[in-house]
Amino acid sequence: DAGVTQSPTHLIKTRGQQVTLRCSPKSGHDTVSWYQQALGQGPQFIFQYYEEEERQRGNFPDRFSGHQFPNYSSELNVNALLLGDSALYLCASSSPDRAGYTFGSGTRLTVV
Amino acid sequence: ELKVEQNPLFLSMQEGKNYTIYCNYSTTSDRLYWYRQDPGKSLESLFVLLSNGAVKQEGRLMASLDTKARLSTLHITAAVHDLSATYFCAGLTGTASKLTFGTGTRLQVTL
Repeated sequence: DAGVTQSPTHLIKTRGQQVTLRCSPKSGHDTVSWYQQALGQGPQFIFQYYEEEERQRGNFPDRFSGHQFPNYSSELNVNALLLGDSALYLCASSSPDRAGYTFGSGTRLTVV
Repeated sequence: ELKVEQNPLFLSMQEGKNYTIYCNYSTTSDRLYWYRQDPGKSLESLFVLLSNGAVKQEGRLMASLDTKARLSTLHITAAVHDLSATYFCAGLTGTASKLTFGTGTRLQVTL
C-alpha cells in the first residue's frame, strides 16, 4: 500500500518564476494538507483541501494556491517566487476520521 | 489560535540515560501528535494522544498527555544513538483539522 507520494523531490527555481508541486495521498485518504518547513523550523500550515475545495488556509499570501482533483491528488502552486520561499514542502493526507496524518517525503524547493 | 511550545530546543544525551521533552500548548487541542524527523527527511508519526491521561509507549519512547495542564511529554528511556533526530509535537484544532507544530527538539545521543 503506497503512502503519500510527492513530486518532484528537488527543484531549483529563479526568483519571479512559478512552481507546481504534486501530491498523491495514501490510499483511503480523502483530505490533503500542505505544509512549508523552513530550515531549522517546524512545519507551517499552508492550506487543506477536501472534496476539491480549500477548507482552511494558514497565513500565506495569495501567491500560494492549490487544487484537488477528483482522485484526491493535489497540487500546490507558488507564483512570483521569492528567496524566502526556499523550504521543504510537505504534503500530508488524512482519512475521514482524522485519526492519523501521513506525510510524504517532501519537495525541497530552492529559489535562487 | 493554538500555539505550541517545546523545550528544550536542543538536548545532548548520553547513551543509557533517561530524558524528557516537554510540549506545552496554549488552548484546547483535539489531539496531540508526536513526530520524528531525520535530517533532510519527512515526518514519521510516533504517537497520537486522544484524551486526558493518555499514555502510549513504543520501545524506548513513551508519550503522555495532560489536557488540564495543556502539557504533553515524550520520555526517552536508556537513550541509544539511533534515537538521534528532531522531535516535534503538534496539536490538532479546528474543523479543518489543522496541525500546529512546535519548534522541535533536536536530540543528539552521544556515547
